[in-house]
Amino acid sequence: GAVVSQHPSWVICKSGTSVKIECRSLDFQATTMFWYRQFPKQSLMLMATSNEGSKATYEQGVEKDKFLINHASLTLSTLTVTSAHPEDSSFYICSAADPDTYGYTFGSGTRLTVV
Amino acid sequence: GESVGLHLPTLSVQEGDNSIINCAYSNSASDYFIWYKQESGKGPQFIIDIRSNMDKRQGQRVTVLLNKTVKHLSLQIAATQPGDSAVYFCAENWGDYKLSFGAGTTVTVRA
Repeated sequence: GAVVSQHPSWVICKSGTSVKIECRSLDFQATTMFWYRQFPKQSLMLMATSNEGSKATYEQGVEKDKFLINHASLTLSTLTVTSAHPEDSSFYICSAADPDTYGYTFGSGTRLTVV
Repeated sequence: GESVGLHLPTLSVQEGDNSIINCAYSNSASDYFIWYKQESGKGPQFIIDIRSNMDKRQGQRVTVLLNKTVKHLSLQIAATQPGDSAVYFCAENWGDYKLSFGAGTTVTVRA
């Protein structure tokens, strides 16, 4: 089945630094990937839609300059949290849409802790 | 065990019993629905899906029911096992590839 690999699985960074999270589709080409954010005991909230070769589409209220998304190839999307602050601490999850099956596959998530 | 009401966040069920998890979706234009299972610290795992032209779909130990009239979705798990303990989310899609997730129900299986 379709596999999405997300790295790192957890990261601790100092306030003010930037952190990059990678999302790779391993056995299919994903023209569209999605980035979600999940706070403890809450649901997944869509942050942005990442489209290969074009700019990401951000959901209302998500700062595009803070959460930089790059989808440079059909198998890789990256999310960079810039100038991270403690309130950015969260569980970030990516997913990829398989255009052949119309299915969505999720990565294993990245636990970001900003200290 | 059954989650009473559409927004109850927790469900406790005896091992071996059937579980029913309910979900109210928001968009009458949604035409594709998915149930996901999320274990602690992991990403969502696909369980079963259903399209709007169907009322019921069965998988292995799971059944999804769709009532478009009242915008209600349910997931039935037969013979619930300890490994079924997790948070369950319904998600809806209305054609632009985006998924909108429900609040989630935490299922705890009692031995």
